[in-house]
Amino acid sequence: DQQVKQNSPSLSVQEGRISILNCDYTNSMFDYFLWYKKYPAEGPTFLISISSIKDKNEDGRFTVFLNKSAKHLSLHIVPSQPGDSAVYFCAASNSNFGNEKLTFGTGTRLTIIP
Amino acid sequence: EAQVTQNPRYLITVTGKKLTVTCSQNMNHEYMSWYRQDPGLGLRQIYYSMNVEVTDKGDVPEGYKVSRKEKRNFPLILESPSPNQTSLYFCASTRLLAGGNEQFFGPGTRLTVL
Repeated sequence: DQQVKQNSPSLSVQEGRISILNCDYTNSMFDYFLWYKKYPAEGPTFLISISSIKDKNEDGRFTVFLNKSAKHLSLHIVPSQPGDSAVYFCAASNSNFGNEKLTFGTGTRLTIIP
Repeated sequence: EAQVTQNPRYLITVTGKKLTVTCSQNMNHEYMSWYRQDPGLGLRQIYYSMNVEVTDKGDVPEGYKVSRKEKRNFPLILESPSPNQTSLYFCASTRLLAGGNEQFFGPGTRLTVL
């Protein structure tokens, strides 16, 4: 039972345009959401997060939007750069204290075309 | 430099031969976890530890053991590896933040069990 779903395994975007990565979840107990970026041969690195009390969080070129009623979040990257080419994982948890168990999506491979 | 290290990075072994993958963090985090990444399944938590001598099962603990004798180290032990444990393994440690936590991942260990 995949509680966090990333339905697009891959996405290609022209450099300079907006990249939009989507994530859906089924567990209504999730209250904290994160995006991780992963390059080949490296571990995932934290990108941005959002708590369920917010519907938007912005950090530079990266913005995460949360629609709780639709159980949907998205990551916007504007403008997209070649270094953004990586696999992006969405993750969710139902606790923000201690060892929250992160439930990950299956990832979306983003390719930025120069 | 704050980091999570894992060794070895690559390992090929045979069924039944006990092995240990080491994990160490230099950030004085109390919480650490092990994940495995498999195609189409994302990252799944194997075990986690909330502090020294405190460990618990994640989603896929069968066939694995862990120990936490010191805060910085969290080794993953496969007593009798089987081919279905061929995977990419990540160790992570957690930094506690107000409003949500951030996990730092190691570079990964690619294990092949023949």
